[in-house]
Amino acid sequence: EPEVTQTPSHQVTQMGQEVILRCVPISNHLYFYWYRQILGQKVEFLVSFYNNEISEKSEIFDDQFSVERPDGSNFTLKIRSTKLEDSAMYFCASSEEANTGELFFGEGSRLTVL
Amino acid sequence: AQTVTQSQPEMSVQEAETVTLSCTYDTSESDYYLFWYKQPPSRQMILVIRQEAYKQQNATENRFSVNFQKAAKSFSLKISDSQLGDAAMYFCAYRSSSNTGKLIFGQGTTLQVKP
Repeated sequence: EPEVTQTPSHQVTQMGQEVILRCVPISNHLYFYWYRQILGQKVEFLVSFYNNEISEKSEIFDDQFSVERPDGSNFTLKIRSTKLEDSAMYFCASSEEANTGELFFGEGSRLTVL
Repeated sequence: AQTVTQSQPEMSVQEAETVTLSCTYDTSESDYYLFWYKQPPSRQMILVIRQEAYKQQNATENRFSVNFQKAAKSFSLKISDSQLGDAAMYFCAYRSSSNTGKLIFGQGTTLQVKP
């Protein structure tokens, strides 16, 4: 069964460093998403992406964040200068359609900022 | 802004019995979707069941069913004949019909199934 895959599963970084989290969405899906979950808190929407551009972003998704689909298969989340409060689990998801399509999630990438 | 609340951080159920997980939400919209997602330990979230707000009939998927009360803004999940594999974190989520697929999640409920 097709799955959304994410790498790395866990990354530890120093504050101020750049981090890239990678995702391979399901191949025929057109819509891509990043969510994050800070330990003990809710899963929060970060950004949605369609047709090579951001279609919606939350207030969390400020200038230190960016997303890219560099080739036909990967979808990346870059955090330019990590802060302690960026420590969280980051989930990638994809769907065939936006409004009615089921979101398929990856297992998540745990980011620890020291 | 829409919010989703799950007031039960943890629940437990005996194998083969029935358990109900609660979810309430707040919205001013009339058309939307509601979901229950299951997240087993160290695994990805998977969709358990969905409900379109315009449908009066409660959704069912095998042992999983919902009690959707639109006026009360309540969306509970009932798991019948609970199995050990049902042990997981369960998230209730809301999605507007007019947006780009953004989900608003509740805090989650950890379900323990006792043999």
